[in-house]
Amino acid sequence: QVQVVESGGGVVQPGRSLRLSCEVSGLMFSAYGMFWVRQAPGKGLEWVAVISHDGGETYYADSIKGRFTISRDNSKNTLHLHMNSLRLEDTAIYYCAKGPGTFRLVSLDYWGQGTLVTVSS
Amino acid sequence: QSVLIQPPSASGAPGQRVTISCSGGSSNIGRNTVTWYQQVPGAAPKLLIYSNYQRTSRVPDRFSASKSGTSASLAISGLQSADEADYYCAAWDDSLNTVLFGGGTKLTVL
Repeated sequence: QVQVVESGGGVVQPGRSLRLSCEVSGLMFSAYGMFWVRQAPGKGLEWVAVISHDGGETYYADSIKGRFTISRDNSKNTLHLHMNSLRLEDTAIYYCAKGPGTFRLVSLDYWGQGTLVTVSS
Repeated sequence: QSVLIQPPSASGAPGQRVTISCSGGSSNIGRNTVTWYQQVPGAAPKLLIYSNYQRTSRVPDRFSASKSGTSASLAISGLQSADEADYYCAAWDDSLNTVLFGGGTKLTVL
């Protein structure tokens, strides 16, 4: 069965960096777009970034553009989110989710359990 | 960043039918497919509807959805207490090259 498992969350000071990882198993990882979606405490879902199946296309939310980088290693079935210059407002649960082959269809059918990132001084 | 507009809350008695709307624009819902997600407290979101009206295999046919122009809607009939959750619509925006999520609708079963 398909499993999506995030890791790398934790408490970090403002201005510091953190790298999230997401391991996917049970499917052909290299065939699908992958997404990061976050949810601040008590708030709604906010899309963060998407990467195409081969890594050739990436898109970012304005709120994190220039600070976060999404990447993938298809040889290791792993997705990453490199987060720099973290701000208090980046505090959230970060979900990794599998998308369709055509990522613009935005049908995220498998989600991880989420990893909590807390930015605090 | 713009969002898709949903009512913040909806409610209905057990057995009733409730509809949740999602309003967008020509560059998002008007051009691309809409998906719907259900999120119960403390859990990850779950895909309910994709390609405007297609249910995933795990979703009962009490859930239905439609799209017209720049708006979409999710309908839940035969409300059950297990349906209490937050519901989100989402779509790609061609002008912004971003994913848009609605603000979410909290459904209460009275």
